[in-house]
Amino acid sequence: DTGVSQDPRHKITKRGQNVTFRCDPISEHNRLYWYRQTLGQGPEFLTYFQNEAQLEKSRLLSDRFSAERPKGSFSTLEIQRTEQGDSAMYLCASSLPTGGSQYFGPGTRLLVL
Amino acid sequence: AQSVTQLGSHVSVSEGALVLLRCNYSSSVPPYLFWYVQYPNQGLQLLLKYTTGATLVKGINGFEAEFKKSETSFHLTKPSAHMSDAAEYFCAVETGNNRLAFGKGNQVVVIP
Repeated sequence: DTGVSQDPRHKITKRGQNVTFRCDPISEHNRLYWYRQTLGQGPEFLTYFQNEAQLEKSRLLSDRFSAERPKGSFSTLEIQRTEQGDSAMYLCASSLPTGGSQYFGPGTRLLVL
Repeated sequence: AQSVTQLGSHVSVSEGALVLLRCNYSSSVPPYLFWYVQYPNQGLQLLLKYTTGATLVKGINGFEAEFKKSETSFHLTKPSAHMSDAAEYFCAVETGNNRLAFGKGNQVVVIP
């Protein structure tokens, strides 16, 4: 079990640029979650997938954000036209179906200048 | 909607003393409750969880938590703090739609 991995670990970008993050879940986990964590706060739910289906999106996920999980394995989170308010840690987690604990990756820290 | 409250953003404890972090939840359904720990610039690591059954739950690194339905609480304790316990701790409740709702966290400082 190699755990949840995320890439990149850090990203610095200029306002208005697009960024894409990748998450590789634990191999047998069919649920995958994205959260956002700002300084001094707990993580906030963004969206989750069961296999390749995106089953829920938070209202925090504006139309500039899109997430995919095309083959039910890894997932990508894209932010278009980044804004300074998008600066945060983006966390990915995975779990087995109902009742399974969520295991988190190390996160991608985004800084928008 | 399900939510958790963690009071006191910073908690200082002397090495060897009791660690007590308080968590109160709000839930319209029987809750699944979690405690996670986060070290600087890292993701969250699961300490322990309560789903059903025994209300005293033991986790990793000597931590335990007790689910008290009458008090809507799930406080985290460790009898003797170690320097390596310095980190941020988050309580979370799983909502019926699989998302976790987190508290604001407690930053624990261990004083030698």
